[in-house]
Amino acid sequence: QVQLLQSGPGLVKPSQTLSLTCVVSGDSVSTHSAAWNWFRQSPSRGLEWLGRTYYRSKWFYDYTPSLMGRITVNADASRNQFSLSLTSVTPEDTAVYYCVREGSIPIPKTIYDYYFMDVWGKGTTVTVSS
Amino acid sequence: TVMTQSPLSLPVTPGEPASMSCRSSQSLLHSNGYNYLDWYLQKPGQSPQLLIYLASNRTSGVPGRFSGSGSGTDFTLKISRVEAVDVGVYYCMQSLHTPLTFGGGTKVEIK
Repeated sequence: QVQLLQSGPGLVKPSQTLSLTCVVSGDSVSTHSAAWNWFRQSPSRGLEWLGRTYYRSKWFYDYTPSLMGRITVNADASRNQFSLSLTSVTPEDTAVYYCVREGSIPIPKTIYDYYFMDVWGKGTTVTVSS
Repeated sequence: TVMTQSPLSLPVTPGEPASMSCRSSQSLLHSNGYNYLDWYLQKPGQSPQLLIYLASNRTSGVPGRFSGSGSGTDFTLKISRVEAVDVGVYYCMQSLHTPLTFGGGTKVEIK
């Protein structure tokens, strides 16, 4: 059974860097059949996809355009974990942050695999305040 | 891609059916013939959980009273007979276009 254990500070000062880690058990971050995502949720912005990393003989990264330049998602295969770094935070970055595995299945009668968010961490409430 | 869900709130009587809508600003139909649309349920105090993928496929463990339908830009999630355990916020999410985007949610509550 795949589980994701999130950790990180619940309070970050404005202009500083938000850093969260997600430890994976029951799967490998280096698997070729999954991707590793970060989402956040706030009353004002709803559920928001932030970015992901995945390994297909090398590491790939996708980020939401609105956070480009501030966000980094990294994976550490030796520790089987992945992380989120968000720089220059403001109170608008206050949210519950989730790490999520994007698992995959083959789509019948096609050459494609379909990816969906099948395992979610419990969420970390992060408040940006001085 | 903007996802729009309706209604915002859906009060239901146990045993009665429920239906909710999700519309996308762009087609979610992939060239492989499948719609890249998922439904998630977030129960109170919990993380979202996957219910339906590829618009109409129930994930493992999801009861048969849940069904998804639709194609292109219009999608529907139906619950044939609502139970008390079904309360929460239902979200649709598209994964055909990046960034991945969610609808604002439909909150199902028991009358």
